[in-house]
Amino acid sequence: DIRMTQSPSSLSASVGDRVTLTCRATMYIGTNLNWYQQSPGKAPKLLMYAASTLQSGVPSRFVGSGSGTDFSLTISSLQPEDFATYYCQQSYSTPFTFGPGTTVDFK
Amino acid sequence: QVHLQESGPGLVKPSETLSLTCSVSGSSITNSFSWAWLRQHPGQGLEWIGTTYPGGSTFYNPSLQSRVAISVDTTNNHFSLRQRFVTVADTAVYFCARGRSGALLDALDIWGQGTLVTVSS
Repeated sequence: DIRMTQSPSSLSASVGDRVTLTCRATMYIGTNLNWYQQSPGKAPKLLMYAASTLQSGVPSRFVGSGSGTDFSLTISSLQPEDFATYYCQQSYSTPFTFGPGTTVDFK
Repeated sequence: QVHLQESGPGLVKPSETLSLTCSVSGSSITNSFSWAWLRQHPGQGLEWIGTTYPGGSTFYNPSLQSRVAISVDTTNNHFSLRQRFVTVADTAVYFCARGRSGALLDALDIWGQGTLVTVSS
């Protein structure tokens, strides 16, 4: 199985901050990397697919990049609704696997 | 607007079979999308259970493959998960989701709200 790791596991930030979350795969996955946002008690929401393609309706302050094994998700200016947990997921091969998540909370 | 809704028992006894249904509204389940089940243990990350694709191919997580089955009911526009011989380790929130396309390797763009299943005697 491809193992996904994320760093940091949590970070504290303020509204308006620029934050970058990273995700790493234990083997090559091309750009088959997706990002999801999950608020407490809610279902995950797709933000980004194919590493850098913004899902319809997602604000442009979210930017994804990377290929191969190293990926990042940048939020250019944090908004109150962005405080949540973010998961990366590889869809390169089954079993599809998720990272452990990065929680973004209020500083 | 496409909407997914999970339903099923919230409590299942150990060794019994868990059965969940995901009702799809706003779209025909026979459209060219894939349909998936995932779960999230309390306070933990997400685990993919399996996905069924247009044409009938279904792939499962090897860690669960011997106990799970996903089926599609085109008459009632829903798909289902059956998971046998459950244990307390199967206690989790179960989500159904739609693949963004019918392709094998794609993201999940629409999710149900999730349903908590507790395994306990």
